[in-house]
Amino acid sequence: NAGVTQTPKFRVLKTGQSMTLLCAQDMNHEYMYWYRQDPGMGLRLIHYSVGEGTTAKGEVPDGYNVSRLKKQNFLLGLESAAPSQTSVYFCASRDVGTRYGYTFGSGTRLTVV
Amino acid sequence: EDQVTQSPEALRLQEGESSSLNCSYTVSGLRGLFWYRQDPGKGPEFLFTLYSAGEEKEKERLKATLTKKESFLHITAPKPEDSATYLCAVHLYNTDKLIFGTGTRLQVFP
Repeated sequence: NAGVTQTPKFRVLKTGQSMTLLCAQDMNHEYMYWYRQDPGMGLRLIHYSVGEGTTAKGEVPDGYNVSRLKKQNFLLGLESAAPSQTSVYFCASRDVGTRYGYTFGSGTRLTVV
Repeated sequence: EDQVTQSPEALRLQEGESSSLNCSYTVSGLRGLFWYRQDPGKGPEFLFTLYSAGEEKEKERLKATLTKKESFLHITAPKPEDSATYLCAVHLYNTDKLIFGTGTRLQVFP
């Protein structure tokens, strides 16, 4: 099925560990985004990409890095996880126009202990 | 500062009891306003895009409207399967980002 696939779906990390979240889309979308969702805070943009090989900072980029080496993939890295990074992470993508909105993945629930 | 505010935070309705959710915004240059539905444990699902004041969009029991300062999501004769969190987001000119509200959690009881 066409859409946005996120892996893994769940992960528990210890403080200081590193990990990479993978987002893959098969809709040939140019734009891709990483958001985090916390209770009472809504969805906040971490990093985004407007095309292959490009990345840009969003609202809450500290502690995260991203890469977009291939158009269909957008990776989110945590170099040294902190408890404050416990959250649900969503990847989204969209085509050049905005008429049909963003397509979201099903999320990765990350707990840092 | 660009801001999106949704109200109420939570809404409990009896099946068949119509109501409206509000999304108010103060932004510098609205390109589009989006409504999403989010079920527990899932990602947001696109519902509507509105571009200009006076525009309306409908889908089954849902109708979204837009003014220069706010948008409403009207739910007519809701059913229990309409229970979800409804998110509003704005897309601004000269940006590639959405700014989300914190959502309205809707519960519809039979």
